[in-house]
Amino acid sequence: SQELEQSPQSLIVQEGKNLTINCTSSKTLYGLYWYKQKYGEGLIFLMMLQKGGEEKSHEKITAKLDEKKQQSSLHITASQPSHAGIYLCGADNFGNEKLTFGTGTRLTIIP
Amino acid sequence: DAGVTQSPTHLIKTRGQQVTLRCSPKSGHDTVSWYQQALGQGPQFIFQYYEEEERQRGNFPDRFSGHQFPNYSSELNVNALLLGDSALYLCASSLGGRVQPQHFGDGTRLSIL
Repeated sequence: SQELEQSPQSLIVQEGKNLTINCTSSKTLYGLYWYKQKYGEGLIFLMMLQKGGEEKSHEKITAKLDEKKQQSSLHITASQPSHAGIYLCGADNFGNEKLTFGTGTRLTIIP
Repeated sequence: DAGVTQSPTHLIKTRGQQVTLRCSPKSGHDTVSWYQQALGQGPQFIFQYYEEEERQRGNFPDRFSGHQFPNYSSELNVNALLLGDSALYLCASSLGGRVQPQHFGDGTRLSIL
């Protein structure tokens, strides 16, 4: 099984709707990072979560960490075309900055 | 404040050749990590450099090697290229010893013919 699983793999959402992306780790989480990637480009850092129950928000994006379940969720409120892209979660399982990534969630926003 | 810069942006090589990719970290960062991202996949950790030494390594063969210079910039070298080495190679930098996010460059797209 994958060390880090994301769901769904792809998502098509109408503009203005809310959406949630999930990330589950099979190993202990020392840190969980969310990145966004435009096709074929570099990763843009969104948020970092470390403590169980931690929740962070930036503009219309909120991320939460459930340490016991080794899960994180990324929630986008009132989606916009600028939110389209690939969302990747990265896990630091050993506290050594070696990140393991999920396969990503491809988000498409339709008018 | 310059972010992470990588060169070249694109590269085409043939099987058996050797390639060198370059990375300059974000200003103030001293740790450089390299990742390989195949099409449709998440990035895979190759190795990390700190204080000019390889600090940790992922599950990649010895054909993949690297170097970090005194100015913290880094190179990734791949020998005896295989078709399967075709991928986007990403460099990320951070400040060692502190728990903080890694900042990524735009990557080098390597195509093997």
